[in-house]
Amino acid sequence: GAVVSQHPSRVICKSGTSVKIECRSLDFQATTMFWYRQFPKQSLMLMATSNEGSKATYEQGVEKDKFLINHASLTLSTLTVTSAHPEDSSFYICSASSGTYEQYFGPGTRLTVT
Amino acid sequence: GIQVEQSPPDLILQEGANSTLRCNFSDSVNNLQWFHQNPWGQLINLFYIPSGTKQNGRLSATTVATERYSLLYISSSQTTDSGVYFCAVEHPGGSEKLVFGKGTKLTVNP
Repeated sequence: GAVVSQHPSRVICKSGTSVKIECRSLDFQATTMFWYRQFPKQSLMLMATSNEGSKATYEQGVEKDKFLINHASLTLSTLTVTSAHPEDSSFYICSASSGTYEQYFGPGTRLTVT
Repeated sequence: GIQVEQSPPDLILQEGANSTLRCNFSDSVNNLQWFHQNPWGQLINLFYIPSGTKQNGRLSATTVATERYSLLYISSSQTTDSGVYFCAVEHPGGSEKLVFGKGTKLTVNP
């Protein structure tokens, strides 16, 4: 149990376009979902926390207008990188929690902006 | 905020060797998890262990909450154990936000 999926696993887009990444909890209802960013050979950095039906809470320094998060249901959260630029290239990982403290992570999405 | 320090940063072992990875944290925590990030980037849950000791096969973990550290033991290491091991903690307050250490990169050679 406790499986989280992400789609797509890899995406290449042109500078100025927008990209949407989906995160789904497949076998449990996620009261809270989290979005992280990981640079090469570095640790995970929390970007934002989303709860179903309410606005996401962004960490300090994360632009909410660039990284749009929607938590439409208890099993789906989306991250949209708007007007992407090369510096947005990174590995984006989501996690989900059912409220029991333990978080389960998706396989990640590698975004490359050309 | 809470600080999480992992040691050693890098570890190279021969297959069959045992190892101990350490995680120190600067404040009391509600949640502590150990993860293994495989070469493809997937984080795999190893242990949810805010206190006490747990074992799962060749892996075991101990958290001494009063002394603010956790240890991950890997016995009879295999090449498939290679990857980065992260410790992550949640600061009390109910936010569920995890703060990650910088990880220990483990390489197990055949």
